[in-house]
Amino acid sequence: EPEVTQTPSHQVTQMGQEVILRCVPISNHLYFYWYRQILGQKVEFLVSFYNNEISEKSEIFDDQFSVERPDGSNFTLKIRSTKLEDSAMYFCASVPGLASTGELFFGEGSRLTVL
Amino acid sequence: AQSVTQLGSHVSVSEGALVLLRCNYSSSVPPYLFWYVQYPNQGLQLLLKYTTGATLVKGINGFEAEFKKSETSFHLTKPSAHMSDAAEYFCAVSDHSTSYDKVIFGPGTSLSVIP
Repeated sequence: EPEVTQTPSHQVTQMGQEVILRCVPISNHLYFYWYRQILGQKVEFLVSFYNNEISEKSEIFDDQFSVERPDGSNFTLKIRSTKLEDSAMYFCASVPGLASTGELFFGEGSRLTVL
Repeated sequence: AQSVTQLGSHVSVSEGALVLLRCNYSSSVPPYLFWYVQYPNQGLQLLLKYTTGATLVKGINGFEAEFKKSETSFHLTKPSAHMSDAAEYFCAVSDHSTSYDKVIFGPGTSLSVIP
């Protein structure tokens, strides 16, 4: 069964460093998302992406964050200068497209630890 | 805008007892509703979903949920709890009135099962 894959599963970085989290969505899906879950808290929407541009972003998704789909398969989340509060689990998700049932297909997540 | 509330951040039941996790939603359009489960240190797994049609939906692992429009509720139940059901449960709502789907999660309910 097709699945969303994310790498790395866990990354430890120093505060101020740049981090890139990678996702490979399901191949025929058209909409892509990043969500964040700080330890013990709710899953929060960060950004949605369609047709090579951001559809919507939350207030969490400030100028330190960016997304791109560089090669038609990978979907990346970049954090330019990490802060301690960026420590969280980051989930990538995808959706087939219009007339979908709204179900997001999630990856297993990438845990980011900022020291 | 959509929102989800989950009554009770932590629920504890005895093994074999009824599981009831409460979820209420707010949506400006007929919602798509979901329950996701998250086991410790794992990703998000879809338990069940409601889109249209039958208001009682059955999911994996013996869980079911009933959509009640008049009460704006989508409570999750399981007749008999098993130790393996201990996990975090998230109710979620999707607004499908736009050209893409954005799922908003509730704060989650942590389920403990006592032997």
